[in-house]
Amino acid sequence: NAGVMQNPRHLVRRRGQEARLRCSPMKGHSHVYWYRQLPEEGLKFMVYLQKENIIDESGMPKERFSAEFPKEGPSILRIQQVVRGDSAAYFCASSPRRETGYNSPLHFGNGTRLTVT
Amino acid sequence: GENVEQHPSTLSVQEGDSAVIKCTYSDSASNYFPWYKQELGKGPQLIIDIRSNVGEKKDQRIAVTLNKTAKHFSLHITETQPEDSAVYFCAASNYGGSQGNLIFGKGTKLSVKP
Repeated sequence: NAGVMQNPRHLVRRRGQEARLRCSPMKGHSHVYWYRQLPEEGLKFMVYLQKENIIDESGMPKERFSAEFPKEGPSILRIQQVVRGDSAAYFCASSPRRETGYNSPLHFGNGTRLTVT
Repeated sequence: GENVEQHPSTLSVQEGDSAVIKCTYSDSASNYFPWYKQELGKGPQLIIDIRSNVGEKKDQRIAVTLNKTAKHFSLHITETQPEDSAVYFCAASNYGGSQGNLIFGKGTKLSVKP
């Protein structure tokens, strides 16, 4: 049973380019969360999606960032016109149920490390 | 919204000693408290979790305690081993409520010296 798969593991972009981060949840999980981790910091919630729906994007910047989780295929976190401050590790997590809780813990992927030069 | 504070930020112990990491939370509606271990270059891995109707939970060398009144919870690792060296994160959420997302502390870097 494969875990949460994220790719690429490392991504280098120049300022102004677009970054696309992909996440395939665990089998049977239809709930996906994206978190951002800055160096020496904890994980900050960005967005929560179900298939074809954005449920909560309260942690995602209003500009340049977007996320989707189509009916078929992986969830995509897209960052347009990247700036140096976007450099971070981006983690995807999946869950089998709506709320993160005792019977539906979050399972994390190994992240995508974005470096903006 | 919920805010989770975690202490200490770094912790160094000798192999075989115990390690304790403490967290406080602000939202009294939070009812689910997991702990994650993150090794270098990897994603966080769930190591233990507790619900608010339980005061303590133990799994081999790892235990978590919860004080709802004081709104704090702690991770205890006994007989530490070098492979316990990692960054540990506490988190809180309101399972079943309107805010089900996990809110994380800033992490504790644990170093176990052989």
